[in-house]
Amino acid sequence: EAGVAQSPRYKIIEKRQSVAFWCNPISGHATLYWYQQILGQGPKLLIQFQNNGVVDDSQLPKDRFSAERLKGVDSTLKIQPAKLEDSAVYLCASSLEEGAPSSPLHFGNGTRLTVT
Amino acid sequence: AQSVTQLDSQVPVFEEAPVELRCNYSSSVSVYLFWYVQYPNQGLQLLLKYLSGSTLVKGINGFEAEFNKSQTSFHLRKPSVHISDTAEYFCASISGGYNKLIFGAGTRLAVHP
Repeated sequence: EAGVAQSPRYKIIEKRQSVAFWCNPISGHATLYWYQQILGQGPKLLIQFQNNGVVDDSQLPKDRFSAERLKGVDSTLKIQPAKLEDSAVYLCASSLEEGAPSSPLHFGNGTRLTVT
Repeated sequence: AQSVTQLDSQVPVFEEAPVELRCNYSSSVSVYLFWYVQYPNQGLQLLLKYLSGSTLVKGINGFEAEFNKSQTSFHLRKPSVHISDTAEYFCASISGGYNKLIFGAGTRLAVHP
């Protein structure tokens, strides 16, 4: 089966600019996650979708970050305006069932964002 | 609060030697535990998981982990490592009631010839 697709792979922007990342999950996976992975740290959940509804966005900095999954399939994560501390790898993941430990997360290769 | 602690940020080891990567989790009524591996410039790949049953879990690439409830640990082991095992390893947990996958900070395994 095709894996989780993310684009772009790399992005360099200046602070205060905006940026968007795209994710296409595995076909049939109802749950989609966006994680932020800062260098030297484990991934941190930003937002979780079940189909096109938000399940958890408690750690999403809503003043600058937004995400949508309009048709319950692919998703876009946006940062506007970007700050230096947003430099990280943004990982998208999907799973067949929400919150089911037996349903593992499948990760994309991530987008590496550098804010200068 | 749910948390995962990986006790070593880096583990250097020679090829064909055994290795153990340590992980401790915060205690909960029910907990599910996972190990993921991340190769350079790639996403995370599931190595193994503990949901219930036997406390010794076998995964891919010859790795195994043991769930120890009394010590709240889930250490990852491999009896003989290869150069290709060089990667970042993440321990993660889902605790009952939270349904959120929480990751540790990661351990970088460096296998030297």
